[in-house]
Amino acid sequence: ETGVTQSPTHLIKTRGQQVTLRCSSQSGHNTVSWYQQALGQGPQFIFQYYREEENGRGNFPPRFSGLQFPNYSSELNVNALELDDSALYLCASSLADDGELFFGEGSRLTVL
Amino acid sequence: GIQVEQSPPDLILQEGANSTLRCNFSDSVNNLQWFHQNPWGQLINLFYIPSGTKQNGRLSATTVATERYSLLYISSSQTTDSGVYFCAVPNSNSGYALNFGKGTSLLVTP
Repeated sequence: ETGVTQSPTHLIKTRGQQVTLRCSSQSGHNTVSWYQQALGQGPQFIFQYYREEENGRGNFPPRFSGLQFPNYSSELNVNALELDDSALYLCASSLADDGELFFGEGSRLTVL
Repeated sequence: GIQVEQSPPDLILQEGANSTLRCNFSDSVNNLQWFHQNPWGQLINLFYIPSGTKQNGRLSATTVATERYSLLYISSSQTTDSGVYFCAVPNSNSGYALNFGKGTSLLVTP
């Protein structure tokens, strides 16, 4: 167990809706990053948060946004859901000065 | 960004067999991680190994940073080793992100 927890574990939405996924980082970790994993692919970096600010972003549109809270927990928000947003969303936490990432169990999103 | 290639893409072993998984990367890196993704989707850390060799039970890993590759060795495989193995390295264009390979899908049969 990594100590990184995500919720919900599974959810189903329809096209055009909005979704919020949540992540609690491992104790002592101040950096949170989010990844999208489509079926049969490796995880793709969405963005990273440090000290409540986004400090790195992958090739994802602005309708993917996030927050980090003072306790280092984080949210991923996706607006105007599209069918291709169906994926496993993984949250990872780390220490800012250490590159080792620890992942949660993921939130599996299905968009119909 | 840095490219990560893993081989083989698929592997079937009989329980008790040994295997070697390979990860090639296109540029120099300052860290590398190996993960095992279980059937429920969780990525489990196996090794954080920028260079050298590490061992953990039946698993070991070697990274030769100067030649831009890493190897994951699984000895005396068990059915619980089944799943997808990923290696990941920092993205040179976005230093905070990990670039993952496409993974090696391993099935260990009884």
